[in-house]
Amino acid sequence: AQSVTQPDIHITVSEGASLELRCNYSYGATPYLFWYVQSPGQGLQLLLKYFSGDTLVQGIKGFEAEFKRSQSSFNLRKPSVHWSDAAEYFCAVAGNNQGGKLIFGQGTELSVKP
Amino acid sequence: GAVVSQHPSWVICKSGTSVKIECRSLDFQATTMFWYRQFPKQSLMLMATSNEGSKATYEQGVEKDKFLINHASLTLSTLTVTSAHPEDSSFYICSAEETTRETQYFGPGTRLLVL
Repeated sequence: AQSVTQPDIHITVSEGASLELRCNYSYGATPYLFWYVQSPGQGLQLLLKYFSGDTLVQGIKGFEAEFKRSQSSFNLRKPSVHWSDAAEYFCAVAGNNQGGKLIFGQGTELSVKP
Repeated sequence: GAVVSQHPSWVICKSGTSVKIECRSLDFQATTMFWYRQFPKQSLMLMATSNEGSKATYEQGVEKDKFLINHASLTLSTLTVTSAHPEDSSFYICSAEETTRETQYFGPGTRLLVL
């Protein structure tokens, strides 16, 4: 069965420091991969997505993610974190034969300290 | 582009009443919309997949008679929580799939509190 694991429930980084949020997936074929961000009490905003092609994907707000098939990973990175990046981050996977259904990871809560 | 709205954003109701939540894709047509439920500090749980002009497909364990879904047009899906009870209190989020991009865009969510 397809699944997504975000090993870190909560991460705290200092403002200006680099960030990497981990995401591992289990899927039989090449997945469609997504990162979403959720601010408290809000819906989800798409940061970036990977379908095929270049394995390093650029997203909004200075985020990027790298698809590594050998490691079944799709980690999210940002070189310098801003206080406004504090939020909940969700990794998700979809299959091209799953009717568009997304399978979400448990989420990683990011705190940013000044 | 790819904006999804939900209405209302907040609703408080008495136990036993029904509540309707609307989900609209504002600048694109969505053949498929999804309804999720999210508990505090948890991930999103898919409740059902809504296809325009046909019956919704519910996930295992979701009562279709409890959570009525209607997708009457390519820009509107509604979720009605019938005979709501306190345990139905939750954050409900919809998404709409922008077909050409094969990507779901999410609404801002509706917080339901049943007293």
